Amino acid sequence: EDQVTQSPEALRLQEGESSSLNCSYTVSGLRGLFWYRQDPGKGPEFLFTLYSAGEEKEKERLKATLTKKESFLHITAPKPEDSATYLCAVRGTSGTYKYIFGTGTRLKVLA
Amino acid sequence: DSGVTQTPKHLITATGQRVTLRCSPRSGDLSVYWYQQSLDQGLQFLIQYYNGEERAKGNILERFSAQQFPDLHSELNLSSLELGDSALYFCASSANSGVGQPQHFGDGTRLSIL
Repeated sequence: EDQVTQSPEALRLQEGESSSLNCSYTVSGLRGLFWYRQDPGKGPEFLFTLYSAGEEKEKERLKATLTKKESFLHITAPKPEDSATYLCAVRGTSGTYKYIFGTGTRLKVLA
Repeated sequence: DSGVTQTPKHLITATGQRVTLRCSPRSGDLSVYWYQQSLDQGLQFLIQYYNGEERAKGNILERFSAQQFPDLHSELNLSSLELGDSALYFCASSANSGVGQPQHFGDGTRLSIL
């Protein structure tokens, strides 16, 4: 069964303190791994799609990487406005059209 | 702004009642997805429609149903409501049902059952 596990559940960083969020996945034939940002009371906001191991994508202070078993979201020199919950999702080739979401990492960046 | 519109933003009702949540997808998107998000759980996929037809079902209760209309907007109907149905309900849309397509989410409907 397709599964996504995110760690840590919560992370507190000082402004400028770089770190990484982890997304481990089990899927029968990865067709896409997605990162989203969710602010309180809002819907998830799309950040990146990764398709194959070795792929990397960057946007401002965020960089997403992908291996065959996990993805990392690296946050470089974070600012307080980066505080949010970061969600990872996968879609496989199991014959359905379901996206499987992890429970997210709640990031708090302190000024 | 994702371009996905959900109404209403908040809904308060009582157990046993029936409600309808509405979603307008981004312009040009053919696929609509419904999710439930509770405090103690992540996003739970409920159902997907593509161009008016049901494409995939997740953990959707028999008390819940959905449809997508010719103008591509979608409605999620929840009936015989229970306290445990209190949650955020999100709608998302994508260009088509092809693999690798990112979903774009609305800001959700917060449903509170009293």
